[in-house]
Amino acid sequence: KAGVTQTPRYLIKTRGQQVTLSCSPISGHRSVSWYQQTPGQGLQFLFEYFSETQRNKGNFPGRFSGRQFSNSRSEMNVSTLELGDSALYLCASSAGQGLYGYTFGSGTRLTVV
Amino acid sequence: DAKTTQPTSMDCAEGRAANLPCNHSTISGNEYVYWYRQIHSQGPQYIIHGLKNNETNEMASLIITEDRKSSTLILPHATLRDTAVYYCIVRVYGNKLVFGAGTILRVKS
Repeated sequence: KAGVTQTPRYLIKTRGQQVTLSCSPISGHRSVSWYQQTPGQGLQFLFEYFSETQRNKGNFPGRFSGRQFSNSRSEMNVSTLELGDSALYLCASSAGQGLYGYTFGSGTRLTVV
Repeated sequence: DAKTTQPTSMDCAEGRAANLPCNHSTISGNEYVYWYRQIHSQGPQYIIHGLKNNETNEMASLIITEDRKSSTLILPHATLRDTAVYYCIVRVYGNKLVFGAGTILRVKS
C-alpha cells in the first residue's frame, strides 16, 4: 500500500514569506503528526491531529500551525519565515493511538534564504 | 517526559549481531519502549516496541530488563544497509514521540 506522501520534497523560501506543506497519510490512518528536524535540535514534535482535531502540540511559536481535513490529509503552515525555520519537516501517520508505531514520510526540505 | 540515554555511536562488523543499549531509568509502569531508525535523508522507520516482555519481529529483537530501566535492541545479522541513527524512545502521554540524539550505528565490511 502507498506510504505517507509529503509534498513538495524541496522548497526554497525567502525570509518573511509563508509556506504550506502537505501530508497524505496511509489510507485508513486518522492520526497525523508533524516533526521538525534540524542539525542543532534534532527531531522535535510540532503537533498531532486526529479526526480533524489538534490533539497535542509541541513548544513552537504560533507562526507554526496546522490542520487536518476530513480525508485525514494534513497541512502545516509557517508564517513569517525565519532563517532558523530551515529544516526537514516530517509527517507521520498512525491508525489510532500510535501504539503499533508511526509511519513517517520522507519529509519536505525547507530552506529559508 | 521519560528520558532515554544512548551511546553516541557504535561500530559493528557486517554479518555480526548489533546490540544497541538504551537506559530509561525513569520509565513509568505503563510506558512503552519504542525503537526507530533513520537512514540518511529519510524519515524515521519504526523497528519494534515493547512494554515488559521481550519482543521479536522480522527486523530485530528487543530485550527489556526485568526492572524496565534499560533495554537492548538486537539486529541479529547486521548488513551495510543497517547503518543508520537508532532512536530509543519512551512513549509519552499524548502520542508525542520525544526523540533523543540516538546512536549512530556504523556497519563495516
